[in-house]
Amino acid sequence: DAGVIQSPRHEVTEMGQEVTLRCKPISGHDYLFWYRQTMMRGLELLIYFNNNVPIDDSGMPEDRFSAKMPNASFSNLKIQPSEPRDSAVYFCASSLGLAGGKQFFGPGTRLTVL
Amino acid sequence: GNSVTQMEGPVTLSEEAFLTINCTYTATGYPSLFWYVQYPGEGLQLLLKATKADDKGSNKGFEATYRKETTSFHLEKGSVQVSDSAVYFCALSIQGAQKLVFGQGTRLTINP
Repeated sequence: DAGVIQSPRHEVTEMGQEVTLRCKPISGHDYLFWYRQTMMRGLELLIYFNNNVPIDDSGMPEDRFSAKMPNASFSNLKIQPSEPRDSAVYFCASSLGLAGGKQFFGPGTRLTVL
Repeated sequence: GNSVTQMEGPVTLSEEAFLTINCTYTATGYPSLFWYVQYPGEGLQLLLKATKADDKGSNKGFEATYRKETTSFHLEKGSVQVSDSAVYFCALSIQGAQKLVFGQGTRLTINP
């Protein structure tokens, strides 16, 4: 299995630009999670989906952030407009509902907003 | 609410030293407990888990015992290696829920 795939691996953009991060979960997994990791705040859950439906988006920082999962094979996280404080590593993870909390993480996207 | 508290890092040890990373939790239900590890430049990966009181999870020489009386799940290894250098996260999930609550992570560096 290819594991969770994220793209791009690195993104550098300027303040005010739209940023789109992409994730392909492991085939057959029915849960998908988006996390953000910073030195100051550690690992934060932004949103998660079950069977493509958003279940909990209480961690999304503000309206500039949105996430969609149009099908079981793809999700994206958009930031519009981006700000320097959004600079972080963004992780996508997927899991199988019966696996009891075992999540598989992608390699992450390192976002730098100048 | 549900929360996880880990010992403050960073932790620096010499090779072959004994490792303990403390983890305590607060949970409204009956949680499952996990240790995840993040190697440099990578995503997190599950190291071990325990789903009920007195269970011991173990993997790659690491182990942790679910202690309900002290609400703890401390990670231990008898003899660490340079390759164990990573960030370690303690986490919990409430029975039936897929969402994980992570601690803040503890950075471990092992010197040769």
